[in-house]
Amino acid sequence: EAQVTQNPRYLITVTGKKLTVTCSQNMNHEYMSWYRQDPGLGLRQIYYSMNVEVTDKGDVPEGYKVSRKEKRNFPLILESPSPNQTSLYFCASSLRVSGPQHFGDGTRLSIL
Amino acid sequence: QKEVEQDPGPLSVPEGAIVSLNCTYSNSAFQYFMWYRQYSRKGPELLMYTYSSGNKEDGRFTAQVDKSSKYISLFIRDSQPSDSATYLCAMTPDGGSQGNLIFGKGTKLSVKP
Repeated sequence: EAQVTQNPRYLITVTGKKLTVTCSQNMNHEYMSWYRQDPGLGLRQIYYSMNVEVTDKGDVPEGYKVSRKEKRNFPLILESPSPNQTSLYFCASSLRVSGPQHFGDGTRLSIL
Repeated sequence: QKEVEQDPGPLSVPEGAIVSLNCTYSNSAFQYFMWYRQYSRKGPELLMYTYSSGNKEDGRFTAQVDKSSKYISLFIRDSQPSDSATYLCAMTPDGGSQGNLIFGKGTKLSVKP
């Protein structure tokens, strides 16, 4: 089954404790992206990757890092999480940079 | 003016009704237009997408794009309680270097049995 898989689905942690949210897709897609979804603000792009070893900032990149060492994986790293990063996070992928993207089921992060 | 405007609802209709969901946008460079459905505690699920103007039909769903008016619509015929969800419109230019989908805020739909 074609899918985008995120882990963990839920995480409660404390300020400053580094965390990584993993994302994996099995569709051989070149393009991958991270979004956050906040009430009243909708979905906003954090980082994206056009291919292996090619990543760039989206609209709200502050406080986040990413890496793309393999085509299927695109982890999101919060080096020193803060409460304003409490949000619902989605990983997405697509065959190419333009066009529809397929989303994972989300990771709900709470940072105390 | 926001790039994509979508009425947040909530919208409540009886089972079997025809539902009309709409978005307006300001960026004339948008070429891909998508509708996503999002159930509670799930990720956005791609329902339909259209390239440039025109209509597209898939079962009970019809998507329309009017680029001259910068207006897109999703129609749901014979709505079912299982259609109760939040519907998000999204759009992006063709060949854009960032691939950033610009989303509306979503319309929450409730279909009552």
